[in-house]
Amino acid sequence: NAGVTQTPKFQVLKTGQSMTLQCAQDMNHNSMYWYRQDPGMGLRLIYYSASEGTTDKGEVPNGYNVSRLNKREFSLRLESAAPSQTSVYFCASSDRLAGFGTGELFFGEGSRLTVL
Amino acid sequence: AQTVTQSQPEMSVQEAETVTLSCTYDTSESDYYLFWYKQPPSRQMILVIRQEAYKQQNATENRFSVNFQKAAKSFSLKISDSQLGDAAMYFCAYRRGAQKLVFGQGTRLTINP
Repeated sequence: NAGVTQTPKFQVLKTGQSMTLQCAQDMNHNSMYWYRQDPGMGLRLIYYSASEGTTDKGEVPNGYNVSRLNKREFSLRLESAAPSQTSVYFCASSDRLAGFGTGELFFGEGSRLTVL
Repeated sequence: AQTVTQSQPEMSVQEAETVTLSCTYDTSESDYYLFWYKQPPSRQMILVIRQEAYKQQNATENRFSVNFQKAAKSFSLKISDSQLGDAAMYFCAYRRGAQKLVFGQGTRLTINP
């Protein structure tokens, strides 16, 4: 019952360093998402992939890139980390049946990133 | 653009009592989903309850129920017989079809023993 798995769970970076957050789901879901969570802001969508081979920007895409490697995996890359990217990052996935599906997102456990 | 608003940053309730968390949303669509997610200190996002907009009947899941007022664009969560394990951040969220989930700012719920 792995569900959605994110790695790493914690990471400390220096300004300007790069890193990739990995996400994998084993539920055969079509759609995958990356959110960031900041205090008092709720969760905000960074990028999403409605299906394998497609990616789209969300609310706060600047400073990030994504890759939908295959149906299972969706990675988030910070090319040059900035202190403003200190946050908790969540990967999520959902099914998409006949255009609508059940609507539920399944979340990973989150990755806490600190940029000094 | 769709927006979701939770006007109560914090709420508290005595154990075993009932509490209602408020949520309003803005959309021009008629068919969509609404959700309440719970986030305990472990950070894991857990689905509490889901409502399809085309259903007039309010969803219930054990001690959790919603009051869905489509015309007013209101979607409140009622927790009955509150338990210590209910303490968490609660997020209201909106989704239309396969599109992205839009979250409110969250309400921190404290349960007083």
